[in-house]
Amino acid sequence: GESVGLHLPTLSVQEGDNSIINCAYSNSASDYFIWYKQESGKGPQFIIDIRSNMDKRQGQRVTVLLNKTVKHLSLQIAATQPGDSAVYFCAENANYGQNFVFGPGTRLSVLP
Amino acid sequence: ETGVTQSPTHLIKTRGQQVTLRCSSQSGHNTVSWYQQALGQGPQFIFQYYREEENGRGNFPPRFSGLQFPNYSSELNVNALELDDSALYLCASSFGLAPDYEQYFGPGTRLTVT
Repeated sequence: GESVGLHLPTLSVQEGDNSIINCAYSNSASDYFIWYKQESGKGPQFIIDIRSNMDKRQGQRVTVLLNKTVKHLSLQIAATQPGDSAVYFCAENANYGQNFVFGPGTRLSVLP
Repeated sequence: ETGVTQSPTHLIKTRGQQVTLRCSSQSGHNTVSWYQQALGQGPQFIFQYYREEENGRGNFPPRFSGLQFPNYSSELNVNALELDDSALYLCASSFGLAPDYEQYFGPGTRLTVT
């Protein structure tokens, strides 16, 4: 399949451990954020989103934390599984604009 | 799978040529956005079509143009291809405008310009 990135920052975690992927965003006006997962040969897949009026949002095995003061977003994955291996992107959006700005991505590698 | 399809999967073009990429949106979706993803980078927004009208454009030159048809499928046209246009081109469709509606991405078209 397609390689989505050859020189991305890589996070390696042991299967069953928790993963934390970080993202710094640049636009202080951004008020909506999404985490995407991209597997080789596929387009980005929505994982979880958060609006700027929230600090934390939880989904199934995933939690997103938003710190507006330092313009930082994190994605926590609990009990990481081999199927979680992929490239993860944060994306930001401001004022109901349609231009989502994606971060550079982090490759998550789950070790057996 | 998302139900968003793109064609072709891969293609190779020569610098200076023109290319048309196609996107078939998920059933019921009236909004299509196109992104360019260079190797090792995140996707970059090219433009969006909402109900057949362009509704927002990123920082791309006019040689990148598009269309949305009455069935809401879409085309991305790139004229006068340059080597830097080599990338994965993604389309994403949704029931409406963000952030109220989630975007669903297709698998992309890998364009190589030689």
